[in-house]
Amino acid sequence: RKEVEQDPGPFNVPEGATVAFNCTYSNSASQSFFWYRQDCRKEPKLLMSVYSSGNEDGRFTAQLNRASQYISLLIRDSKLSDSATYLCVVNNLPNDYKLSFGAGTTVTVRA
Amino acid sequence: DGGITQSPKYLFRKEGQNVTLSCEQNLNHDAMYWYRQDPGQGLRLIYYSQIVNDFQKGDIAEGYSVSREKKESFPLTVTSAQKNPTAFYLCASTPGGINEQFFGPGTRLTVL
Repeated sequence: RKEVEQDPGPFNVPEGATVAFNCTYSNSASQSFFWYRQDCRKEPKLLMSVYSSGNEDGRFTAQLNRASQYISLLIRDSKLSDSATYLCVVNNLPNDYKLSFGAGTTVTVRA
Repeated sequence: DGGITQSPKYLFRKEGQNVTLSCEQNLNHDAMYWYRQDPGQGLRLIYYSQIVNDFQKGDIAEGYSVSREKKESFPLTVTSAQKNPTAFYLCASTPGGINEQFFGPGTRLTVL
């Protein structure tokens, strides 16, 4: 089983729509969770960290469900500029500097 | 401006040649990482270093080598032993602990 699994998509949505997708992780002891955004042929950039209580940053909301071992990302009021691949990132082990990256979920927002 | 630089952006080499990819950071970060990304796949860890003069193998270290002689620099050598070296190579750094990683712009290596 992969350490981090994501639905590759693509999710094709119109501008203004809400889109949400999940990521599952295999290690119940994982402590840190992140969503990164990666544009085509560019480096990943941190979108947001995911906290146990859930957190929101503008139109983006991240949730963590430890019992079911998944994190989610919801994008409200989608913009054309939200078109990208979203990478789910989880640390492997407690106190381990290494992170595991999912293969990404592609979102395409159309006009 | 603080950041991570990788050079060159594109690199072409003939099969059987070793090639070294540069990664420099001026963020004063302790830990540095090298990843490889192939189409449709997640980033895979090649090597990482938590302090100067120390580094550990990641998940796919075979055919690669690194050095960490200075805090700011973590070059990666792709040797001729790497069977499929064509890929997008990303360098990252973090201040330490389980923090988010900051990435350089990447080097796209093509072996002909």
